[in-house]
Amino acid sequence: QKEVEQDPGPLSVPEGAIVSLNCTYSNSAFQYFMWYRQYSRKGPELLMYTYSSGNKEDGRFTAQVDKSSKYISLFIRDSQPSDSATYLCAMSANTGGFKTIFGAGTRLFVKA
Amino acid sequence: DSGVTQTPKHLITATGQRVTLRCSPRSGDLSVYWYQQSLDQGLQFLIQYYNGEERAKGNILERFSAQQFPDLHSELNLSSLELGDSALYFCASSVQRDRGNTGELFFGEGSRLTVL
Repeated sequence: QKEVEQDPGPLSVPEGAIVSLNCTYSNSAFQYFMWYRQYSRKGPELLMYTYSSGNKEDGRFTAQVDKSSKYISLFIRDSQPSDSATYLCAMSANTGGFKTIFGAGTRLFVKA
Repeated sequence: DSGVTQTPKHLITATGQRVTLRCSPRSGDLSVYWYQQSLDQGLQFLIQYYNGEERAKGNILERFSAQQFPDLHSELNLSSLELGDSALYFCASSVQRDRGNTGELFFGEGSRLTVL
């Protein structure tokens, strides 16, 4: 079993739709949860960052963390064609030298 | 622009050869991470350095090695290259807290390695 599971998609939605992206994980030590966006042939860029459980909102993006279920989500409201990218969840634990583990990434296509 | 610089952007070489990938972290970041991204394996953690010292190791092959220099730039050396080593190699940096890291990584644009 992988430490972080993420459906690779692809996920295709019409412009304006609400997009829900999810990851599950197995390591209860994870405390920091992130979502990265990666455009084709580019490096991943940090989109959202959450510590422990709860919600965080930034514009059209909302990140949710449910540590009891080991489940994290990213919601994109009013999706735009420019949101078409691969979204990677990532998580890490606050122990010296612990590496950040990434999900496989979900490819999202937003059709105009 | 993340502030992380990687060179070269593209590299084509033959099996059995050796290459060196270079990374300059963001100004002020002490930690450097190397990741390999291929189509079938996703983003795989290779190794982390903090202020010149190796801090964590992932699925890095023995043919691969890395180091971080006093000026904090890092190099990833790949030797005895095989076809399967063809991938995007990313460097990322972060501000390392005293205990572990929080995962806020800033990635460079990557070095695309093609082994023929």
